[in-house]
Amino acid sequence: GAGVSQSPSNKVTEKGKDVELRCDPISGHTALYWYRQSLGQGLEFLIYFQGNSAPDKSGLPSDRFSAERTGGSVSTLTIQRTQQEDSAVYLCASTLRGGDTDTQYFGPGTRLTVL
Amino acid sequence: LAKTTQPISMDSYEGQEVNITCSHNNIATNDYITWYQQFPSQGPRFIIQGYKTKVTNEVASLFIPADRKSSTLSLPRVSLSDTAVYYCLVGGTTGGFKTIFGAGTRLFVKA
Repeated sequence: GAGVSQSPSNKVTEKGKDVELRCDPISGHTALYWYRQSLGQGLEFLIYFQGNSAPDKSGLPSDRFSAERTGGSVSTLTIQRTQQEDSAVYLCASTLRGGDTDTQYFGPGTRLTVL
Repeated sequence: LAKTTQPISMDSYEGQEVNITCSHNNIATNDYITWYQQFPSQGPRFIIQGYKTKVTNEVASLFIPADRKSSTLSLPRVSLSDTAVYYCLVGGTTGGFKTIFGAGTRLFVKA
């Protein structure tokens, strides 16, 4: 079956503009994660959705970042008033149930460049 | 949440066995240990997971001592295509699961 997909694959924007990044998880997966990866760095956790539970937003770096997951499937990560330090690859992952024993399946990421 | 420590980079040659050790001194009772591999311009992908002792699959082995404060990923007979970043991940299910990927270990396999 289809894996996790993300769009767009690349996004170039100007400082101060808003951007929306989309993630389509694997069908039937109840948990979804967003991560950020700066060049040459590890993954930074941003937010976690599990079923109908309130999301764990503890990794969002500022109130300019928000995310939602509609209908328990597609998720969008929104960055308002983008800054140059927001430039990174944004990765989405989904798991069947959530929890530490579940394999995370990652999408290819969206490379965001803020000029 | 258990913090992990790994070597920043390692070099190896084709055909050699590579062992990457991860330290996780404050691992909790419910925590599993998972390793992921990431190639450039791709998302990480699952390699292996374990709780204690030894786990082996078609790709790698994972050795976990009795105290579980560390774990070692073993890659047998590496090839050039094993050049990647390897992440050790320790997490638990405590009502919401926040995963922490460390900086990972950059493995360079040379011909």
